[in-house]
Amino acid sequence: AQSVTQLGSHVSVSEGALVLLRCNYSSSVPPYLFWYVQYPNQGLQLLLKYTSAATLVKGINGFEAEFKKSETSFHLTKPSAHMSDAAEYFCAVSDGATNKLIFGTGTLLAVQP
Amino acid sequence: GAVVSQHPSRVICKSGTSVKIECRSLDFQATTMFWYRQFPKQSLMLMATSNEGSKATYEQGVEKDKFLINHASLTLSTLTVTSAHPEDSSFYICSARTGLAGGRLDEQFFGPGTRLTVL
Repeated sequence: AQSVTQLGSHVSVSEGALVLLRCNYSSSVPPYLFWYVQYPNQGLQLLLKYTSAATLVKGINGFEAEFKKSETSFHLTKPSAHMSDAAEYFCAVSDGATNKLIFGTGTLLAVQP
Repeated sequence: GAVVSQHPSRVICKSGTSVKIECRSLDFQATTMFWYRQFPKQSLMLMATSNEGSKATYEQGVEKDKFLINHASLTLSTLTVTSAHPEDSSFYICSARTGLAGGRLDEQFFGPGTRLTVL
């Protein structure tokens, strides 16, 4: 069975500071990993995805994530937070066959001025 | 490209009534659509997988007679919440899967969600 764990349901950073959102996965097969962002009362927007190519994945809005098999991690980072980054972020895993997405519990990012 | 719409965006209904939610892929054909529900401040939980022209596959614990899914065309799937009760109040989100020629992974595109409130 596949699962993802997001450490920290709430993360608060100052504008301009580093953003680090943690995600650890569990999978019996090579996983496909995703980060999505959700703004209030909206659907999900894909930030980036890992599909067994380069381990460092660059996404939209300046976000990137690094797949570390030894640590079973796929943490999301951004060098400098903007106010517009305040949203909920979800890590998800898929087996690539059924394409079912298993979501983590989400991390609410607050950006302080 | 790859836009998914949902209608309605919000619906309030009385307990015991049925509510239909539409999910449309606007500029691509979606062989598969997924339906999720999201409770306040919680993650998305997959309810069912809908394939065009066949019966939906429901996740464990989801009542198929309660949540009727129809995927009549490659651009439309509907979720009907039958005899809705207050505990069905939630945010329902659909996603549609594209088919990438030669690719192993088909990306899912999410709709904006439907907020259902049952009084």
